[in-house]
Amino acid sequence: QQQVKQSPQSLIVQKGGIPIINCAYENTAFDYFPWYQQFPGKGPALLIAIRPDVSEKKEGRFTISFNKSAKQFSLHIMDSQPGDSATYFCAAITRSWDNAGNMLTFGGGTRLMVKP
Amino acid sequence: NAGVTQTPKFQVLKTGQSMTLQCAQDMNHNSMYWYRQDPGMGLRLIYYSASEGTTDKGEVPNGYNVSRLNKREFSLRLESAAPSQTSVYFCASRGTGELFFGEGSRLTVL
Repeated sequence: QQQVKQSPQSLIVQKGGIPIINCAYENTAFDYFPWYQQFPGKGPALLIAIRPDVSEKKEGRFTISFNKSAKQFSLHIMDSQPGDSATYFCAAITRSWDNAGNMLTFGGGTRLMVKP
Repeated sequence: NAGVTQTPKFQVLKTGQSMTLQCAQDMNHNSMYWYRQDPGMGLRLIYYSASEGTTDKGEVPNGYNVSRLNKREFSLRLESAAPSQTSVYFCASRGTGELFFGEGSRLTVL
């Protein structure tokens, strides 16, 4: 049973568009929500993360929106560029992050293509 | 500054063969992890090691074994490979902050 559901599986936008990737979780104990970006042939790398005490976090062109009551969070990429083409994963974990055995739960991933 | 290094990057095995994936990190991290990545499934944790000398099962440990050789190195062994183990395997390490991933090892079992 996948505890973090991610949609869509794939997304194509034109340069300058605003792709939106959505994630929904079930476990209300989750309290840290990172997003990872993965380029072909590379490992995932942390992009941006949010805690549920805020509703939005921006880092450059990347924004996470968080809706605690709906148990949903989303990634928006403003003014998307071809270089943003990658696979994006949302994830969730509980606050006992310092316990190495506490597992990050990943969404299924979204393959984004930004056309020139 | 290598970070997390995995070898080999590609491997093709026949059903029943064994092999070991190697992972080393140079960031002096205590925790190390092995994940597998399959289309539409995200990343799933196979085994992890909280510190040198300890290992524990993750979400999908069946068919795998691990060894934390020292603080730097964490290997993943497939004793008798099966086609269901065809996947991309990622090693990761963590100190007190985020996970750092290697570039992956693509394994095909025929």
